[in-house]
Amino acid sequence: DAGVIQSPRHEVTEMGQEVTLRCKPISGHNSLFWYRQTMMRGLELLIYFNNNVPIDDSGMPEDRFSAKMPNASFSTLKIQPSEPRDSAVYFCATAGTSGSSTDTQYFGPGTRLTVL
Amino acid sequence: GQNIDQPTEMTATEGAIVQINCTYQTSGFNGLFWYQQHAGEAPTFLSYNVLDGLEEKGRFSSFLSRSKGYSYLLLKELQMKDSASYLCIGNAGNMLTFGGGTRLMVKP
Repeated sequence: DAGVIQSPRHEVTEMGQEVTLRCKPISGHNSLFWYRQTMMRGLELLIYFNNNVPIDDSGMPEDRFSAKMPNASFSTLKIQPSEPRDSAVYFCATAGTSGSSTDTQYFGPGTRLTVL
Repeated sequence: GQNIDQPTEMTATEGAIVQINCTYQTSGFNGLFWYQQHAGEAPTFLSYNVLDGLEEKGRFSSFLSRSKGYSYLLLKELQMKDSASYLCIGNAGNMLTFGGGTRLMVKP
């Protein structure tokens, strides 16, 4: 298995632009997590899907952020409009079959976002 | 509320043993994860403790005491490649609470 796939690996954009980050989970995994990591705040959980349904989005910072999981093999995290403070590494992680956060999570390589 | 505390930084010598502590205050506690993260890389899973006691996996062991709200990660026979951040993550009521991570530096 190729593991969790994220794209792009690096994104540089200007303030105000729309940014879309993509994630392909490990086949058969039915939980998907989006995280953000910065030096200042560490690792933060943004949103968590189970069976394509958002279970907990309390970590989504504000209305500029939205996440979708239209099917079991694809998810997006969108920021519109982007701001410099959104600069961070965004990780997608997926987990196995029990549908809870007790499953081991496997992380993708991350997308390093820089908003100028 | 939920809270996880772990030291910010630790230094140890190659070949030695180091213990990274984590204390937590959470309601509805289910278990505790430890992840390793090298600089510039994604986190990788090390362990998940649900029951009290010590779980050993090669050079790495993880301990949990639910009554004391305490866990530690024990690394034996330290190698230079063990220099990384170690994340303590609490699982309570299907919610994850993250510690700030402990940056471990292994010196020759």
